[in-house]
Order: sequence, then structure tokens, then C-alpha cells
Amino acid sequence: SQQGEEDPQALSIQEGENATMNCSYKTSINNLQWYRQNSGRGLVHLILIRSNEREKHSGRLRVTLDTSKKSSSLLITASRAADTASYFCARSYNTDKLIFGTGTRLQVFP
Amino acid sequence: ETGVTQTPRHLVMGMTNKKSLKCEQHLGHNAMYWYKQSAKKPLELMFVYNFKEQTENNSVPSRFSPECPNSSHLFLHLHTLQPEDSALYLCASSLGGAVEYGYTFGSGTRLTVV
Repeated sequence: SQQGEEDPQALSIQEGENATMNCSYKTSINNLQWYRQNSGRGLVHLILIRSNEREKHSGRLRVTLDTSKKSSSLLITASRAADTASYFCARSYNTDKLIFGTGTRLQVFP
Repeated sequence: ETGVTQTPRHLVMGMTNKKSLKCEQHLGHNAMYWYKQSAKKPLELMFVYNFKEQTENNSVPSRFSPECPNSSHLFLHLHTLQPEDSALYLCASSLGGAVEYGYTFGSGTRLTVV
């Protein structure tokens, strides 16, 4: 399959804890992107990391990329109940399209 | 609002009906996309348009017919659908494609085929 795989499929944590989601893929990439989706809504772009980058930060988000292992991780620090959503990685390769992974459902309890 | 507007938000249609989904963006983006999101399945890319020319048709059945009259508008015409076509249909746009930029998504149309 060309699609990425997120791990875990579901994650439940308490507010204030950190949440880590992983993404693996099989082919080469130009960049890898993370998106968030609240239930039944559209996806929101969170962060893009290029293939020559290893780490990127945006607020409470930290993304790492290991092209040798074909994997990426998204860390959300000091999580809040409002972070409850599904998170998707998507990879871009040589064309004008994104291929999305299967997603991680994050539940943050107050 | 993200800048990408999809209408209607919800649609219930019979298998013999003909309906259309509309997507509109005024972000100055040149590429537009249709994705299908079914329960427990990854997002499936359906169609890609770049400068209103179709550049990708991901083996989508002919009962789905896209139309892109200009870079700001994208339609998905539906006819003789099946119950398994019930899903959330998402439109997205981007500037320059996904290689350098992310996508902006609309809120989707929740389609139910009865």
C-alpha cells in the first residue's frame, strides 16, 4: 500500500500529559505533513516537514522525521481537552497530491 | 471558515437521483482536489485539478463526474449512486500543489445514499 500507517490507532490521555503519534511510510517523500480533524469536519493543516529536515516546532507541536527509517512522529505537549481529534500524516512525492495515512484518534480527558 | 466552502453540508439522496456537490475557494489557489472519507478507511483521493485541468482520476467510477469551470470552483456531479458511496466528501485546494505547501480543506459534505 502507498498509504502511511499511523500508530497507535487510538490514544487516550489526561489533560496535561504529552501525546505522541507515529507515522510510517514505504516510499520516498518530498515532504510529510500532519493534519488534524475534528469529528465529521474537514482537515486542518498543522505542520509540514521537508525531507531534508529532521525536526520542526510549532507552538505545542513537535514533529520529527527520520527518512532512513521512513517514519515521523508528532508530539503534542501539555495536552488539552480541545486537542481531542483525529490526527493524520500525509506524504507528498513528486506530484501535486497528498497520500494520507489511517489516522490516530486522540482523546484527552479533562 | 477555512476559505474553502463546500455545499451542501449534508445530502440524502436516492440511488436514482442526480445531485451535485459544490466547492468554492477564493484563496488564489491553483489546484483543487476531491477526497472521499469512509468510516474506518483512509482518505481516498478521487480527482485532482490543476489550473482547471484534470491531472488525476484515481480509478473513480463513472457515476462520479467532476467539473472544474475555473480555478475557484469545483463540482462533483453524482448519479445512480450506491449505498456504499455514503461517506464524507472533502474538497481541498492548494497553491502550487502538495510538494511545497499544505492543503486547505473545506468542512465536507456528508452524503447518505438510501
